Amino acid sequence: NAGVTQTPKFQVLKTGQSMTLQCAQDMNHEYMSWYRQDPGMGLRLIHYSVGAGITDQGEVPNGYNVSRSTTEDFPLRLLSAAPSQTSVYFCATRGGGRTEAFFGQGTRLTVV
Amino acid sequence: AQSVTQPDIHITVSEGASLELRCNYSYGATPYLFWYVQSPGQGLQLLLKYFSGDTLVQGIKGFEAEFKRSQSSFNLRKPSVHWSDAAEYFCAVRGAAGNKLTFGGGTRVLVKP
Repeated sequence: NAGVTQTPKFQVLKTGQSMTLQCAQDMNHEYMSWYRQDPGMGLRLIHYSVGAGITDQGEVPNGYNVSRSTTEDFPLRLLSAAPSQTSVYFCATRGGGRTEAFFGQGTRLTVV
Repeated sequence: AQSVTQPDIHITVSEGASLELRCNYSYGATPYLFWYVQSPGQGLQLLLKYFSGDTLVQGIKGFEAEFKRSQSSFNLRKPSVHWSDAAEYFCAVRGAAGNKLTFGGGTRVLVKP
């Protein structure tokens, strides 16, 4: 049982490049979310999904796109990377009702 | 809008001493509250959660937290700290009907031998 799997673990991009951060879960959870973690700011919500085909913006959505075509996968796309997007990115999932979020191990992204 | 404040950015505690981490939240309705711990280079692990009922909640690794609605607080405590408790701790809140989990800025705990 892998839980929440994020790939890659590390990535260096040049300004203007695009890439997709992958998140896959095997817990059959409805809810999936992407967060970015920056020093002193905790985790901030980028985008989230309440089920396949349904996504919505979080607190810091600019510069990021998401889609949810299956229950298992929730990729995060950076269309044109900027140095301000240097961060650690976490994917999280949870079931419905009184449940907690489960987190992946993170992707450390550096944009130069 | 919901928010979480962790007033202490860093706390240094001696091994064997007690630890208390503060968390204040803002949410208009019934909050669901969580404490997570993050070791360096790792993801987040749930320590404990509060949904309703008994306001004193027991978690893993000997941690407990107390929900005080009148003070909008959910402070985390441990009676005797171990060196392995050195990590960053995050308090988080979401609503019963909400989809968004909001985090505080985190408190980094250093443990002195």
